[in-house]
Amino acid sequence: NAGVTQTPKFQVLKTGQSMTLQCAQDMNHEYMSWYRQDPGMGLRLIHYSVGAGITDQGEVPNGYNVSRSTTEDFPLRLLSAAPSQTSVYFCATGRGAKNSPLHFGNGTRLTVT
Amino acid sequence: GQQLNQSPQSMFIQEGEDVSMNCTSSSIFNTWLWYKQDPGEGPVLLIALYKAGELTSNGRLTAQFGITRKDSFLNISASIPSDVGIYFCAGRLNRDDKIIFGKGTRLHILP
Repeated sequence: NAGVTQTPKFQVLKTGQSMTLQCAQDMNHEYMSWYRQDPGMGLRLIHYSVGAGITDQGEVPNGYNVSRSTTEDFPLRLLSAAPSQTSVYFCATGRGAKNSPLHFGNGTRLTVT
Repeated sequence: GQQLNQSPQSMFIQEGEDVSMNCTSSSIFNTWLWYKQDPGEGPVLLIALYKAGELTSNGRLTAQFGITRKDSFLNISASIPSDVGIYFCAGRLNRDDKIIFGKGTRLHILP
C-alpha cells in the first residue's frame, strides 16, 4: 500500500517546454488535488477533482491543465513552462466524504530556467 | 479569493515551552485541519476538527474549532526538538469541496 505516489521527485525544464507531473494513489480516494508550495506563500490549490471525470479550478489554475480519467491517477500538465512555475508541487488525496482530511505525496521539485 | 490568516509566521522558543498558533478567516469552514511539514517531505496530518467548538488532542497537541467556524487554534505543550518544522492550518469551505491552507508557522526550538 504505497499511499500517494508522485513522480518525478525532481525536474528541470527550459522555458516553453511541456511536461506532466504524475500522481497516483492506491487508497481508492475520490478526492484528488494539486498544490504548489512557494516560500512565504504556504500551499496554494491549483486544481482539484471530486471523482473520475470531474475537475475544477483552485486558487491558482492558470498555466496548468488536469484530467481525471481514472480514480487512481490525477496528472498535472504544464503546456508551456514559465520560470514563475518553479515551485514544489504536492498531490493530495482524500475520501469523498465532505469532512475527510487530505493525505499528501512527498512532492515534485520543479525548476524552470 | 478566500484567505486563511495564520499567525505567527515564525516562532523561536525554548525547549519545554508551550506553543500556540492560530488561523482566522472571514469565510465559514466546515472542517479545520492542522498539518506539520518536515524538510523535504509532504505535510502530515496532526489533527482534524469537524464541529464548531470541538476540542481535540493528539498527545501534546490540542486544537479547537472556533465557535464562529471562522477560526481555529493549535497548542503544543512542553515542546521538544522534534517539534521543529512548519505547521499549517487548512480549512474546507462550507460551500464547496476545496481545502485551502494558511501560509504556515515555522517553529524553531532553541536548545
